[in-house]
Amino acid sequence: NAGVTQTPKFRILKIGQSMTLQCTQDMNHNYMYWYRQDPGMGLKLIYYSVGAGITDKGEVPNGYNVSRSTTEDFPLRLELAAPSQTSVYFCASRSRGADTQYFGPGTRLTVL
Amino acid sequence: GQQLNQSPQSMFIQEGEDVSMNCTSSSIFNTWLWYKQDPGEGPVLLIALYKAGELTSNGRLTAQFGITRKDSFLNISASIPSDVGIYFCAGPIIQGAQKLVFGQGTRLTINP
Repeated sequence: NAGVTQTPKFRILKIGQSMTLQCTQDMNHNYMYWYRQDPGMGLKLIYYSVGAGITDKGEVPNGYNVSRSTTEDFPLRLELAAPSQTSVYFCASRSRGADTQYFGPGTRLTVL
Repeated sequence: GQQLNQSPQSMFIQEGEDVSMNCTSSSIFNTWLWYKQDPGEGPVLLIALYKAGELTSNGRLTAQFGITRKDSFLNISASIPSDVGIYFCAGPIIQGAQKLVFGQGTRLTINP
């Protein structure tokens, strides 16, 4: 199992550009999550999904969109990138009934 | 919303020393999780606690679920260089147990 994989590892965007952060898990987990981690801070939940076709907002959803068309994939979309979205983004997944989440290696995004 | 406060925010210790850190909340948690984040990586689960008063070990790491259910502690004995990283506590939000809230982290630096 590869676990949770994220692409790209690094990206620099200009203000107003859009991009999609990819996340895939091969553990057949129902639950998937997107977090952002700002320097010196903990993780804040952006969006999450409890299964294919179902998504919901987390703590800091503004400026982002998600979709969950398959169990494996949970892409995060930034439509109009802003400097405030400079951060490290982590995707995670969890199986039903378990508390533990498994994290991907992260995508470091800089918006200039 | 529920928040977790970790203390201390950072620690600078000598190799071989023992380490103690804690996590407190104004709300009750039914589960406490401790994660470690290595530089440039996603968090990895170290220990999960499910019962008030529970004491659980994972090698040189020991974590305790506080009796009040509003705090948890993590101890590392005889620290080694690979213990460097950021340690996060986390707990599931009661009304939506699929979501975790994270503390802001304790950054551990070890001088050889």
